[in-house]
Amino acid sequence: EPEVTQTPSHQVTQMGQEVILRCVPISNHLYFYWYRQILGQKVEFLVSFYNNEISEKSEIFDDQFSVERPDGSNFTLKIRSTKLEDSAMYFCASTYRVAHEQYFGPGTRLTVT
Amino acid sequence: GNSVTQMEGPVTLSEEAFLTINCTYTATGYPSLFWYVQYPGEGLQLLLKATKADDKGSNKGFEATYRKETTSFHLEKGSVQVSDSAVYFCALSPNDYKLSFGAGTTVTVRA
Repeated sequence: EPEVTQTPSHQVTQMGQEVILRCVPISNHLYFYWYRQILGQKVEFLVSFYNNEISEKSEIFDDQFSVERPDGSNFTLKIRSTKLEDSAMYFCASTYRVAHEQYFGPGTRLTVT
Repeated sequence: GNSVTQMEGPVTLSEEAFLTINCTYTATGYPSLFWYVQYPGEGLQLLLKATKADDKGSNKGFEATYRKETTSFHLEKGSVQVSDSAVYFCALSPNDYKLSFGAGTTVTVRA
């Protein structure tokens, strides 16, 4: 069964450093998402991406964040200058079309020290 | 705005016990409602969904009914197993794009 994959599973970085979280969505999916979950808190929507552009973003997704689909398979989330409060589990998701099930990856745990 | 409130955990049950996890929502319009489950070390998986009032979603013995009058989507299972131990998330999608999640309820089933 096709699945969404994410790398790395755990990333430790120092405050102020740039990180790139990588996702490989399911191959025939067209809509892509990033969510995050700070420990002990809700899963929060960050951004949705369709047709090579952002379709919606939350207030969390400020200028420090960017997303890209650099080739036909990867979908990346970049944080330019990490802050302590960026420490969270980041989930990638994809779906073939809206109103259909979003398939989630296993997540990347980001720890900013 | 759109939000989901679900019963706080953790919930600990014995095998074959009845499970209910309460979920209520606030939304404009007619959102789709979902239950996602996260098993240890894995990503979120869709458990069931309902797209309109009075719809009942069901899967793996779990059920939830979209109640517009009470703005609720409670999850139930009549007889849980150890393998049902997981974190359960209620979620809504107001526009069929992003999902808004509840805080999650950790369920532990003991043999």
